[in-house]
Amino acid sequence: DAGVIQSPRHEVTEMGQEVTLRCKPISGHNSLFWYRQTMMRGLELLIYFNNNVPIDDSGMPEDRFSAKMPNASFSTLKIQPSEPRDSAVYFCASRRTDTGELFFGEGSRLTVL
Amino acid sequence: GNSVTQMEGPVTLSEEAFLTINCTYTATGYPSLFWYVQYPGEGLQLLLKATKADDKGSNKGFEATYRKETTSFHLEKGSVQVSDSAVYFCALSVGAGNMLTFGGGTRLMVKP
Repeated sequence: DAGVIQSPRHEVTEMGQEVTLRCKPISGHNSLFWYRQTMMRGLELLIYFNNNVPIDDSGMPEDRFSAKMPNASFSTLKIQPSEPRDSAVYFCASRRTDTGELFFGEGSRLTVL
Repeated sequence: GNSVTQMEGPVTLSEEAFLTINCTYTATGYPSLFWYVQYPGEGLQLLLKATKADDKGSNKGFEATYRKETTSFHLEKGSVQVSDSAVYFCALSVGAGNMLTFGGGTRLMVKP
């Protein structure tokens, strides 16, 4: 079975540019999570969706960040404009409803110069 | 609120040594407890879990017992291998529909 699929795996961009990260959750999973991981702050929950509806976006750093889930099989995390302090690995995860287990993608490593 | 506290790393061990990574929690309600592992360059993956007091989760030689009286879920392995080098995260969830709360992670380095 395919796991959680994220793209791109690596992105290098310049400050001020728009960045869009994509995620395809595991089919049948009703919840989707976006996390950010850095050495300084560790693993941070940015936002999560249940049944495509955003439930808690209190972890989104500021208005430059936005996330959408137009359908059950696709989500995006957008940063506009990007800044060097946004450099991190961004993980998407989907949750198996019956067990509560999270399945993570391999992450998107973002570098903003 | 809910929180998870893990011992700070890195933990450096020689191959075949005994491993303990401490994890304690506070929770409003009756949590399920998890250990996730992150190998270099990868996402987190579930290592083991326990859903009620005195349950023992186990996988790949790792074990952890849900101790309600001490609010702990310490991870143990009797003989570590170089391939166990990774970051280990303790986590809890209260209710199947609620999000996981992660600890800060503990980096394990095993030397040959």
